[in-house]
Amino acid sequence: NAGVTQTPKFQVLKTGQSMTLQCAQDMNHNSMYWYRQDPGMGLRLIYYSASEGTTDKGEVPNGYNVSRLNKREFSLRLESAAPSQTSVYFCASTGHGKGNEQFFGPGTRLTVL
Amino acid sequence: TQLLEQSPQFLSIQEGENLTVYCNSSSVFSSLQWYRQEPGEGPVLLVTVVTGGEVKKLKRLTFQFGDARKDSSLHITAAQPGDTGLYLCAGLPGNNRLAFGKGNQVVVIP
Repeated sequence: NAGVTQTPKFQVLKTGQSMTLQCAQDMNHNSMYWYRQDPGMGLRLIYYSASEGTTDKGEVPNGYNVSRLNKREFSLRLESAAPSQTSVYFCASTGHGKGNEQFFGPGTRLTVL
Repeated sequence: TQLLEQSPQFLSIQEGENLTVYCNSSSVFSSLQWYRQEPGEGPVLLVTVVTGGEVKKLKRLTFQFGDARKDSSLHITAAQPGDTGLYLCAGLPGNNRLAFGKGNQVVVIP
């Protein structure tokens, strides 16, 4: 089991460029999440998908779109990158325990110049 | 407003010392989790506590959930350099969306 995988690991964009961050999990989890982590701000939820075919906004959705392609894959798209989107992005999926325990990917470090 | 407040934000101790970090809230949680995050990696789940007053041990780490299910503590006995990391608490406030604290950065000096 690879768990949660994310690509790419690092990316540098210029302001206005677009890109898609890919995430896949092989644990047969229903729910998947995208977070961003910034110094002093902690983990903030961007979007989540409770099940295949559904997506919902989290705390900081502006400037992002998501696609739940199938049960395994959940992608995050930046249509027109801005310097404020410089961050580390984590994808996570929820296990089958009662407490909504999350399994995280290794992260994508994105810099927008 | 941060739902979960973690303190201290940063803690540096010598190898072999004990330490305690805290996760506090004014809200009640149905469960609370602790994660550890090492540089360049994603958070990894350490433990979930679900019952008020519950104590769980993971080797030298002891986790306690407050009686009222509003707070939690993590105690590390005889800290090792491998314990260095960002410790994140996360709670389920009832809306099925996990809320994270900002973390306790722990550095253990050899």
